[in-house]
Amino acid sequence: DQQVKQNSPSLSVQEGRISILNCDYTNSMFDYFLWYKKYPAEGPTFLISISSIKDKNEDGRFTVFLNKSAKHLSLHIVPSQPGDSAVYFCAARGGSQGNLIFGKGTKLSVKP
Amino acid sequence: EPEVTQTPSHQVTQMGQEVILRCVPISNHLYFYWYRQILGQKVEFLVSFYNNEISEKSEIFDDQFSVERPDGSNFTLKIRSTKLEDSAMYFCASRPGSLFTDTQYFGPGTRLTVL
Repeated sequence: DQQVKQNSPSLSVQEGRISILNCDYTNSMFDYFLWYKKYPAEGPTFLISISSIKDKNEDGRFTVFLNKSAKHLSLHIVPSQPGDSAVYFCAARGGSQGNLIFGKGTKLSVKP
Repeated sequence: EPEVTQTPSHQVTQMGQEVILRCVPISNHLYFYWYRQILGQKVEFLVSFYNNEISEKSEIFDDQFSVERPDGSNFTLKIRSTKLEDSAMYFCASRPGSLFTDTQYFGPGTRLTVL
């Protein structure tokens, strides 16, 4: 029962190019989405979020797009840097107390 | 910048033993959470805590688990009798409770190894 799906376990991108990480969800009641970055042996670090009343949110090199009709969101990183290499998790706000439902993650490798 | 801290970073225990994992959430936050990540799997919600009581819990959070906020700063997760399958990274998270953000901030995690 995967309510949040990240179908690409890994992505490799050249430095300076765009990285696009995708996420799909099944529950149309989800109204808030977040992206976290995680390095090995560390906790998830918040990157960017988007409310369902918007279709785009931008913060520096990071932009999140939300397509509610397709139940799809994506994270764009432009330009990609080697330091961006990490596992990226998509999460949706679940229950009434804000617990997060995570995807399985996509490992991004940015090659110099 | 304020951050969530967790101790210990790694805990090794024998099956059947009790363990307590400790967290210090960000000081002005109101909501507290525990998540876990079994190796190679996704991060899973365990429990949320607000106003000194459990507000929501998952199916994973059975009678073997309990949480407590014993003072104004610490937030603990206790596993009464550990099983091999409890081996995982345990993450504590907190969020402000503001109407304007639902962002949760995570600690670095405690790696629990049950032998």
